[in-house]
Order: sequence, then C-alpha cells, then structure tokens
Amino acid sequence: DQQVKQNSPSLSVQEGRISILNCDYTNSMFDYFLWYKKYPAEGPTFLISISSIKDKNEDGRFTVFLNKSAKHLSLHIVPSQPGDSAVYFCAARGMDSSYKLIFGSGTRLLVRP
Amino acid sequence: NAGVTQTPKFRILKIGQSMTLQCTQDMNHNYMYWYRQDPGMGLKLIYYSVGAGITDKGEVPNGYNVSRSTTEDFPLRLELAAPSQTSVYFCASSYGGETQYFGPGTRLLVL
Repeated sequence: DQQVKQNSPSLSVQEGRISILNCDYTNSMFDYFLWYKKYPAEGPTFLISISSIKDKNEDGRFTVFLNKSAKHLSLHIVPSQPGDSAVYFCAARGMDSSYKLIFGSGTRLLVRP
Repeated sequence: NAGVTQTPKFRILKIGQSMTLQCTQDMNHNYMYWYRQDPGMGLKLIYYSVGAGITDKGEVPNGYNVSRSTTEDFPLRLELAAPSQTSVYFCASSYGGETQYFGPGTRLLVL
C-alpha cells in the first residue's frame, strides 16, 4: 500500500522551460512534505519542503505547491537548467516523534540543452 | 564537517554470509535512519534511532539488526545475506524533526 505516489517515472523538458513534478499521498496524517534530489551514485539531498498548514513555499527557482483537499503536491522548477537533471523524490513526514519519512518512487528529470 | 559517511561503498556477499554496514555522522544529530532503495523504487525505512541506546523498526526490518552505542555511529548488521537484500543502502541523520541528511550509500550485491 503506497502512501506516497509519484506516477510519472520520467520527465523531459527543454532548458529554460518549466518542469512540473507531481506527487500524491493517501494519508492525511502527514505534517510535512519534502522534495529530495538525487544524482547517480550519491545520496539524496534536501531541496525544499512545505508544512501541511501552508499551500505554497518558494526558494529561488523552486516552488512547492500543496493541495490538501486533493492530497496532491507539485514541485515547479523555473527556469529549468541542465544541472537539474536528476531523480526527484517526494517524501512525507508522519506526525509522530520518530520523524520518519515515507518516500515516493521518484521521477527522473532530464533537462535538454 | 564530513556530514554522514558510509562504508563500504560497494560489497559483494555470498548467500548466507553476514556483514556490517557502517554509518557515522559528525553533526551531533540525535536521530539516525537506515533506508534501502531497490531499482525503480523509493527509499524504504529499515530501522531508526532517536538517540544513543534507542532503536526501533521501520517498514522493512526483517533480516537486519542495528545498534546505537554512541551518538555518532549507527551500524546496520545483515545476518545470513539473501539475494532479496541486494540493494543500495542509505544512512541518514537529523536533529529532531529537522532535515534529514543522507550519506553517499552502500551498494550491496548478494549472489
């Protein structure tokens, strides 16, 4: 039973255009949502997060949107750069004190020059 | 700061062998986590620790054991390796509910 789903395994966009990565969740008991970026042969690195009490968080070229009623979040990258090519994981954090993360299966983004 | 370090980077095990994956962090984080990532899948939590001497099971703990005798170290033990344990293992640490920082991973192949 996947609590966090990323239904698009891959996405290809032109440099300079917008990249939109999507994530759906099934459990209402998450208090934070995070995006991690992963390059080959490296560990995931934190990109941006959003609290469940907000609907938008922005950090430079990266914006995360949260739609609680639809249990959906998205990551927007504008403008996309070739260095953004990586696998992006959506993760959700439970409300208990363990701060465990539940990860989606990832979306591989390719930004074409 | 080295952050989170993991050793070895890569290992091949025969079925039935055992090994310990090492994880060390120098950020004085109280929380530490072990995840595995199978091809095309997300990371799944194996075990976690909220402080020295305290560990608990995650989503996929079978076939693994952990210990946390110091704040810095959180080794993961595989007993009786099986092909299903072929995966990439990531260790992470955090200060409470803050961002989790990940190590570079250990790639394990069980043949």
